[in-house]
Amino acid sequence: EIVLTQSPGTLCLSPGERATLSCRASQSVSSSYLAWYQQKPGQAPRLLIYGASSRATGIPDRFSGSGSGTDFTLTISRLEPEDFAVYYCQQYGNSPFFGQGTKLEIK
Amino acid sequence: QVQLQESGPGLVKPSQTLSLTCTVSGGSISSGYYYWSWIRQHPGKGLEWIGYTYYSGSTYYNPSLKSRVTISVDTSKNQFSLKLSSVTAADTAVYYCAREIPPGVPAVIYGMDVWGQGTTVTVSS
Repeated sequence: EIVLTQSPGTLCLSPGERATLSCRASQSVSSSYLAWYQQKPGQAPRLLIYGASSRATGIPDRFSGSGSGTDFTLTISRLEPEDFAVYYCQQYGNSPFFGQGTKLEIK
Repeated sequence: QVQLQESGPGLVKPSQTLSLTCTVSGGSISSGYYYWSWIRQHPGKGLEWIGYTYYSGSTYYNPSLKSRVTISVDTSKNQFSLKLSSVTAADTAVYYCAREIPPGVPAVIYGMDVWGQGTTVTVSS
């Protein structure tokens, strides 16, 4: 089982700033089967990024993903008020475990 | 547009079996290469993958829950179901069903692209 560790646990930023979220895997993630999800209070998660760097349908281009192997990053270039939420990474496929999440809070 | 909807009791007594159903609309559960998944979220906590079924009935479970979990599919009703036995208060959570497009299949998107709205299950006497 691959363990995904996200950092930081909480990130406090202001609208307009750049957010960088990290996801580290305990072993190499096959062929970048790495996804990122956004979850707002009271809502189901929403797929943002798959294949480490491909945006899902309808996701704004201020969201970008990068990385390979064991280190992955989600970057939000300029934070909008609606971006403040919890973000999870996941290695999808046969054992689609999630990281513990990063909460993005308004400073 | 495929949509998922969870249904089932919101309150389950300790030691009993939690049973939930996910109804798929806007598409056939038998089409494609999808993994039909269950995920839960304890209050204030992160996402925990429970397991999934393929339309053929093959399944794969989180090892930490495997001894108590059964996921099944009913293609005639376009539904898949979760049973979790011997529940305790630690099983109190929001339960989500989701569709996963796994790697290696011909698709334009991968990962869990469609989710139900979630249903809250409380385990209490």
